[in-house]
Amino acid sequence: ETGVTQSPTHLIKTRGQQVTLRCSSQSGHNTVSWYQQALGQGPQFIFQYYREEENGRGNFPPRFSGLQFPNYSSELNVNALELDDSALYLCASSSKAARGANVLTFGAGSRLTVL
Amino acid sequence: DQQVKQNSPSLSVQEGRISILNCDYTNSMFDYFLWYKKYPAEGPTFLISISSIKDKNEDGRFTVFLNKSAKHLSLHIVPSQPGDSAVYFCAASHSGGGADGLTFGKGTHLIIQP
Repeated sequence: ETGVTQSPTHLIKTRGQQVTLRCSSQSGHNTVSWYQQALGQGPQFIFQYYREEENGRGNFPPRFSGLQFPNYSSELNVNALELDDSALYLCASSSKAARGANVLTFGAGSRLTVL
Repeated sequence: DQQVKQNSPSLSVQEGRISILNCDYTNSMFDYFLWYKKYPAEGPTFLISISSIKDKNEDGRFTVFLNKSAKHLSLHIVPSQPGDSAVYFCAASHSGGGADGLTFGKGTHLIIQP
């Protein structure tokens, strides 16, 4: 059983640029969520995708967008990068049909630095 | 406004003793609570959870206690082992299926001293 894998692991962008982060879900999981973890903070919910549609969203502006593909992998896109977007971006997968659907399996994250 | 609070940024405990990590929440709609453990350069790993219909859940060395009237939960680790040194996050949810995501605290860095 493979876990959640994310790419790239690290990247550096400049303010105003756009970034795409990728995530492969754990085998058997059909739901993917993205979280932003700033330094010294806990992960903060960005959005969740289920059946290729956004299923829930946290307090993030529209320049944060995502996609889920038929194989349940996912992308997080951030446009017009700001300095405060510098953070660890965590992807998590889960199975909506399973009991305890809140139990998420996290990837190791993509660390984004915006200069 | 922080809906889930972990007021101790760090905690140092001797190996073999009990570690107690605390978490408070403000949103009375939360009905499911989880603890995650995070090592450096790794993603958070699920540890244990509890539904609001229970007040205790045990899994091996780990026990989570929930006091709904006080809006407080705690994680007990007995006995503490060196491999338990990590950052522990308390998380809460009120949507059952997770569509509103988990709300995390800022974490407590647990250090197990030999």
